[in-house]
Amino acid sequence: EAAVTQSPRSKVAVTGGKVTLSCHQTNNHDYMYWYRQDTGHGLRLIHYSYVADSTEKGDIPDGYKASRPSQENFSLILELASLSQTAVYFCASSELGREQYFGPGTRLTVL
Amino acid sequence: GDSVTQKQGQVTLSEDDFLFINCTYSTTTYPTLFWYVQYPGQGPQLLLKVTTANNKGISRGFEATYDKGTTSFHLQKASVQESDSAVYFCALVGQGGRALIFGTGTTVSVSP
Repeated sequence: EAAVTQSPRSKVAVTGGKVTLSCHQTNNHDYMYWYRQDTGHGLRLIHYSYVADSTEKGDIPDGYKASRPSQENFSLILELASLSQTAVYFCASSELGREQYFGPGTRLTVL
Repeated sequence: GDSVTQKQGQVTLSEDDFLFINCTYSTTTYPTLFWYVQYPGQGPQLLLKVTTANNKGISRGFEATYDKGTTSFHLQKASVQESDSAVYFCALVGQGGRALIFGTGTTVSVSP
């Protein structure tokens, strides 16, 4: 079965600090994605990648960077965390045009 | 650009009631459409996929159909159970096929 794991599962960060969220997939999928989920906004795409060492901006990329060092791993980086980035973050993987498989999520609280 | 609209934010039902959730979409292609379900504390998981080839999908007692004429697709279940309480998202594959576009979700609460 498809497997996407995320770490950490929850994190508390201070405003202005650096945060790195990690994602690992064992699906052998080319595409990986980062979404954030806020109440009333559903899932919004931050960044995605379709090949190692390359990332693409999604719909809400401001304040976030992404890194895809290998096919299996995809990180989301908040260089200067802000209060507005408190949310639940989900990673997903897929093949082009196919259903996405999601990880369990990371709950980030910025204080 | 492509978009999905899911107007029902909250649906409250009793066990054995009929569930119906509707989404409308806008795209220049004939898309593949998805329904995802998210249980508390978990990531979304695929419930159903509907393509232009089949127009209908069935899984776990849920049925999804889509109407190209009205650019809408809906999810229904004849008799819900308390365990069906979750958030349901509709989604479609965006142009270029590189990402899904999600609706804002419908929270379904089923009381025993």
